[in-house]
Amino acid sequence: AQSVTQLDSQVPVFEEAPVELRCNYSSSVSVYLFWYVQYPNQGLQLLLKYLSGSTLVKGINGFEAEFNKSQTSFHLRKPSVHISDTAEYFCAVRALDTDKLIFGTGTRLQVFP
Amino acid sequence: DGGITQSPKYLFRKEGQNVTLSCEQNLNHDAMYWYRQDPGQGLRLIYYSQIVNDFQKGDIAEGYSVSREKKESFPLTVTSAQKNPTAFYLCASSPSGSGGPYEQYFGPGTRLTVT
Repeated sequence: AQSVTQLDSQVPVFEEAPVELRCNYSSSVSVYLFWYVQYPNQGLQLLLKYLSGSTLVKGINGFEAEFNKSQTSFHLRKPSVHISDTAEYFCAVRALDTDKLIFGTGTRLQVFP
Repeated sequence: DGGITQSPKYLFRKEGQNVTLSCEQNLNHDAMYWYRQDPGQGLRLIYYSQIVNDFQKGDIAEGYSVSREKKESFPLTVTSAQKNPTAFYLCASSPSGSGGPYEQYFGPGTRLTVT
């Protein structure tokens, strides 16, 4: 079975500062990894995904994430955040041969002017 | 313009009533999913369907029922047996029902309030 831990429930940051949202996962088999963003009262939108290959993955809105197999982590980063990045961010993992996506509990990113 | 639609966006019901949430997709995806979202708990899988006329229970199926009579539709019924039905419900779909390098695509959600 797989599990996901998002270590921070809330991350406050000032506009134009860098940010890192942490995600660790547990799995005995190889996995795909995803980051989704959710704006208030909306569905989830895919930010980026790691399937295989390069461990540095670039996504939409200037976000990127690095897959670290030895540390079983998939942290999300952005070098300079904007007010519009205020949202909830979910890390998710799926084993290669299943359909079940396992979500973390989410990190609320609050960007202040 | 392909996507997933959920209706209505807000739904209010009295305790003891069954209610059905709609989910339609025009992405030609085989697999569809229903999640429940509660504050601080992330998303939890209720039911999923990998192919028409077949579906499986997720982690919290008690008090819910689904059907998959058409590829594009996967309605969820919240029955009176669900003890705490007030939540935000999200429908999703993906191209394949048997693994593979695919992400899930999400609808805009339905917020259900039961009083």
